[in-house]
Amino acid sequence: RKEVEQDPGPFNVPEGATVAFNCTYSNSASQSFFWYRQDCRKEPKLLMSVYSSGNEDGRFTAQLNRASQYISLLIRDSKLSDSATYLCVVNRGGSYIPTFGRGTSLIVHP
Amino acid sequence: ETGVTQSPTHLIKTRGQQVTLRCSSQSGHNTVSWYQQALGQGPQFIFQYYREEENGRGNFPPRFSGLQFPNYSSELNVNALELDDSALYLCASSRWGGSSTDTQYFGPGTRLTVL
Repeated sequence: RKEVEQDPGPFNVPEGATVAFNCTYSNSASQSFFWYRQDCRKEPKLLMSVYSSGNEDGRFTAQLNRASQYISLLIRDSKLSDSATYLCVVNRGGSYIPTFGRGTSLIVHP
Repeated sequence: ETGVTQSPTHLIKTRGQQVTLRCSSQSGHNTVSWYQQALGQGPQFIFQYYREEENGRGNFPPRFSGLQFPNYSSELNVNALELDDSALYLCASSRWGGSSTDTQYFGPGTRLTVL
């Protein structure tokens, strides 16, 4: 089993839709979690950190479920500009070894 | 823009050759991490440098090595190139506060093709 798993998609949704991605992780000692966004042929950019209590940034909501070992990203009112690959990142505790998922592709169409 | 720069942007090498990639970190950042991203995959952590020393290493063979300089810039060296080394190589800088929650800022990457 991979340490961090994501459904590669693509998720193909119309503008205005709500879409959610999950990311599962296998190491229960994982301590910090992030979502990054990567546009085609560009570098990843931090979208948001994921806190235990859940956090929201505008149309984006991130949740952490430690019991089931997954994080989620919810995007409300999708825009064309949200089309990208969304990467989840899990950091192990103790030493700095960040693990990226392979990413979930989102395509928002008119 | 993040302020993290990488050179060169593209590179073509042949099997068995050696390559050096360079990264300048964002102002105020003291830590550089290197990643390999194959097509259709997420970035894979190679190693991180903090205060000129390796501070963590992923599952990469010793022919992947690095350096960090006093100005916090960094190099990634890959010896005995193999076809599977063809990928986008990303560096990311951060300000190490002793926590794995530090935010990383990525450079635009170097696309390496091994023929």
